[in-house]
Amino acid sequence: DSGVTQTPKHLITATGQRVTLRCSPRSGDLSVYWYQQSLDQGLQFLIQYYNGEERAKGNILERFSAQQFPDLHSELNLSSLELGDSALYFCASSATSSGVHNEQFFGPGTRLTVL
Amino acid sequence: SQKIEQNSEALNIQEGKTATLTCNYTNYSPAYLQWYRQDPGRGPVFLLLIRENEKEKRKERLKVTFDTTLKQSLFHITASQPADSATYLCALDTGGFKTIFGAGTRLFVKA
Repeated sequence: DSGVTQTPKHLITATGQRVTLRCSPRSGDLSVYWYQQSLDQGLQFLIQYYNGEERAKGNILERFSAQQFPDLHSELNLSSLELGDSALYFCASSATSSGVHNEQFFGPGTRLTVL
Repeated sequence: SQKIEQNSEALNIQEGKTATLTCNYTNYSPAYLQWYRQDPGRGPVFLLLIRENEKEKRKERLKVTFDTTLKQSLFHITASQPADSATYLCALDTGGFKTIFGAGTRLFVKA
């Protein structure tokens, strides 16, 4: 158990809908990262927050947004969903602002299925 | 463009042998490189981090090398066991705070 929690575990929705994925980092970790993993794309970095502020952005679509709250939990919002958004979404946390300088602890993921 | 390549084909080895996985990169000059293990349907788990000024790092049966001239990292599992069967991902920094992961190599260890 990494100490990172993600809810929900599974999510099934329809095209055009909007969903929110939630992540609670390990106790004491200030950085939260979001990744998307699909079969043909591998693990893709979406966005990082550090202590409430956006720190780095990857290939995140404009339909997606995220935020980190004062209690350090984070939410990833996906809107106008398309079939291609079906994937595993992982949240990770680390103690510092630089994920590669320190290990990242990954949550169990949320499996999103868009029908 | 920036690229990370790991063996796309699965690696099949016999229990007790050494597994060697490769991570090659182009157009990067990473200061750090990490290796993770991922089991099906689960999140990656951190294994080892190696810095650019370290040629080699060991942890129990695991060994990682980092050759910045060849732009390559090798990941070794000695005395492999069926429980080592998983996908292994390399990850590196691209400058700034972004972490880029390779697609991973699937390892199967047969008893």
